[in-house]
Amino acid sequence: GQNIDQPTEMTATEGAIVQINCTYQTSGFNGLFWYQQHAGEAPTFLSYNVLDGLEEKGRFSSFLSRSKGYSYLLLKELQMKDSASYLCAAMDSNYQLIWGAGTKLIIKP
Amino acid sequence: TAGITQAPTSQILAAGRSMTLRCTQDMRHNAMYWYRQDLGLGLRLIHYSNTAGTTGKGEVPDGYSVSRANTDDFPLTLASAVPSQTSVYFCASSSTGVDANTGELFFGEGSRLTVL
Repeated sequence: GQNIDQPTEMTATEGAIVQINCTYQTSGFNGLFWYQQHAGEAPTFLSYNVLDGLEEKGRFSSFLSRSKGYSYLLLKELQMKDSASYLCAAMDSNYQLIWGAGTKLIIKP
Repeated sequence: TAGITQAPTSQILAAGRSMTLRCTQDMRHNAMYWYRQDLGLGLRLIHYSNTAGTTGKGEVPDGYSVSRANTDDFPLTLASAVPSQTSVYFCASSSTGVDANTGELFFGEGSRLTVL
């Protein structure tokens, strides 16, 4: 079956760096997405990786290893506003998105 | 720019009653989607539409129906609500359909539905 695994919850300190991991098993692969979702709000797009390697976008970076079925989202210089859930989603061969349950990130001062 | 608008924001519904969740987008996106989000689970696709006039079933379509009469509107109907349909429902759109891999989805603010 198709599956996405990511930690349920993580805690980090303001100003620090945190890495949120995601492993996926899909029938075929057409890209890996990360979305941010603040409590009670809609998910918003963060990144899309389809090739191996690191994509950097400001304080956020996303990494993909297709051979390992693995991705991570790296958040640097954490701010209190980064407290949110981070959703990992993989696109299978039929271009269907398979979503993880999300990682709730708690930022402490 | 409004983006995607959903209504109602929240609703309490008696079991057995029908309900339509409204979704309107002003981005002229071809594809639209309805997801439900439940605690501890990933977003699950209910129905989708690649373009006006066409619809398709997602992962959890039972008990739901959709229509896509035009580009902008994609209502979701629960014909006879059951408690297991208590959830947060998100409408989303993308400029390309499920048969292309651009991927970025734009979500509405969600509709919280409680079925008693």
